[in-house]
Amino acid sequence: QKEVEQNSGPLSVPEGAIASLNCTYSDRGSQSFFWYRQYSGKSPELIMSIYSNGDKEDGRFTAQLNKASQYVSLLIRDSQPSDSATYLCAERSGGFKTIFGAGTRLFVKA
Amino acid sequence: DAGVTQSPTHLIKTRGQHVTLRCSPISGHKSVSWYQQVLGQGPQFIFQYYEKEERGRGNFPDRFSARQFPNYSSELNVNALLLGDSALYLCASSLAPTSAGDTQYFGPGTRLTVL
Repeated sequence: QKEVEQNSGPLSVPEGAIASLNCTYSDRGSQSFFWYRQYSGKSPELIMSIYSNGDKEDGRFTAQLNKASQYVSLLIRDSQPSDSATYLCAERSGGFKTIFGAGTRLFVKA
Repeated sequence: DAGVTQSPTHLIKTRGQHVTLRCSPISGHKSVSWYQQVLGQGPQFIFQYYEKEERGRGNFPDRFSARQFPNYSSELNVNALLLGDSALYLCASSLAPTSAGDTQYFGPGTRLTVL
């Protein structure tokens, strides 16, 4: 059974701090990884995708992938109260199925 | 450009009834996936359709079925509804799931309540 594991949180950080969200996956054949943000009562919205080992930066967000350790992370710099949401990690191993983790709830305190 | 659209937004049904949920993908996208999300959990994969053919199926009973139309829109059907089917049903569209770089974009979802 392929799995994606995330700490459910809540993760609480002060405004302006760096929030670090982590995710591990069980399928060594996974090729594509995604981070989605989901506000309460809304649908997931894509933040970033990453396919190669290393870091990928987009504005205040940096995704990190380590395939050897089967580990994906998302860093949010200069966290804002509007970043408070549930962050979903997802992976796809080349087939027609994307597997999501349960999500980590993030609270950014003003 | 319009994003992924879903209808209806909310739906209330009773046990044993049947429901049909609809999804229109982003223009140019040929793949539609359906997910079920219960409170406190991540989306669970139900189906993926690409070029009007079923390409993937999750661990859901046969009461769940879907199809994709020539215009790439899709329907999810659930028969003999159970209380446990109450959830947010999400549709996601993408260009070409055969590509490792393919990315799914979600619609607003349909909130189904089974009483």
